[in-house]
Amino acid sequence: GAGVSQSPSNKVTEKGKDVELRCDPISGHTALYWYRQSLGQGLEFLIYFQGNSAPDKSGLPSDRFSAERTGGSVSTLTIQRTQQEDSAVYLCASSSGAAGWSYNEQFFGPGTRLTVL
Amino acid sequence: GEDVEQSLFLSVREGDSSVINCTYTDSSSTYLYWYKQEPGAGLQLLTYIFSNMDMKQDQRLTVLLNKKDKHLSLRIADTQTGDSAIYFCAESVSGGYNKLIFGAGTRLAVHP
Repeated sequence: GAGVSQSPSNKVTEKGKDVELRCDPISGHTALYWYRQSLGQGLEFLIYFQGNSAPDKSGLPSDRFSAERTGGSVSTLTIQRTQQEDSAVYLCASSSGAAGWSYNEQFFGPGTRLTVL
Repeated sequence: GEDVEQSLFLSVREGDSSVINCTYTDSSSTYLYWYKQEPGAGLQLLTYIFSNMDMKQDQRLTVLLNKKDKHLSLRIADTQTGDSAIYFCAESVSGGYNKLIFGAGTRLAVHP
């Protein structure tokens, strides 16, 4: 009965380095979301995966950001050439992926706190 | 565009009621949500309301929706110190799936 897990919980990196953040969704959930929470800000949508469909990447802030979801389960968010403004908490969520407008709760992981020095 | 706004801070005395307000812009939103975030933890869904409802009550929580004014509120009765957290309002937006737009969050501080 594990929830959404994310790793690492904290990541400190130097400006210009690449980082990978991992998300393990709830087993059986077909929908997966990445959000970014900057200090004092709300959650900013980044990307959405649903099954085998093409992901909605409309929230990715730049081409330095990319995400993959292998085998419809685990997802990795990659930030290349990190900048100080990338410092934030990156949250992953999953849901059962019910189609259309039906109620579809998103379950959130604890997040990865990224600090770019 | 899509936008959700909330006041950033609310302070209440233990035992009083708390009312957290939110305004949203997407008139096609079908569900509106309240999430709670405690320090160092992820977001936890508190409650939600379908857009054809005006009110929903769940124990100490009451959600009011004024669709005409695009205004959503969360009332917490008999507020306790354990209710201290950040509360996020979110709306689902058009697009065929459950994409959520979140407000910046209201930090609720409960004092004795």
